[in-house]
Amino acid sequence: GAVVSQHPSWVICKSGTSVKIECRSLDFQATTMFWYRQFPKQSLMLMATSNEGSKATYEQGVEKDKFLINHASLTLSTLTVTSAHPEDSSFYICSARTGGANSYNSPLHFGNGTRLTVT
Amino acid sequence: QQPVQSPQAVILREGEDAVINCSSSKALYSVHWYRQKHGEAPVFLMILLKGGEQKGHDKISASFNEKKQQSSLYLTASQLSYSGTYFCGTVAGGTSYGKLTFGQGTILTVHP
Repeated sequence: GAVVSQHPSWVICKSGTSVKIECRSLDFQATTMFWYRQFPKQSLMLMATSNEGSKATYEQGVEKDKFLINHASLTLSTLTVTSAHPEDSSFYICSARTGGANSYNSPLHFGNGTRLTVT
Repeated sequence: QQPVQSPQAVILREGEDAVINCSSSKALYSVHWYRQKHGEAPVFLMILLKGGEQKGHDKISASFNEKKQQSSLYLTASQLSYSGTYFCGTVAGGTSYGKLTFGQGTILTVHP
């Protein structure tokens, strides 16, 4: 159980275009999902917390107008990288908990990640 | 604030033991441990909650020293499959949504 599906696995796009990444919780409802970004050989950096039915909460330094997050249902969150540039190339990973929004004693279940390459 | 992991890298021969440490400057609610293989998503290993908890699974165990805000991951009789990058993640007091902040990672390489 507790499967998180992320799509696509990889995407190559041209500079200036937008890319949408989907994150679905397949067998549980997730009121909160977390979006991370990981550069090669670096740690997972939290970008934003996606909340169902309300605005996402962004970490300091993350441009909310560039990384649009929509959490339209209890099983789907999307991250759209708008006007992508080569420096946005990275590994984007979503995650969710089964235990509810503030269940710090529940593990995060990760999607398989999306490798974005902007040319 | 990002927790600090040490060492940054460990090289072992199969069957050897290793310890990975994670420390935070903040009061913690919980510490999570994950392992990530190259190009893959992190895989959950275990969670330690406030209260000086210790737990283990197979030959991997961990402890949480609440007073020192430190956690250690113990890998005994290492296997080739243990290779990967280990991350600790912490949920600090006052954190909204229980968000997890990860350490910089420890690269573990196990050789035959």
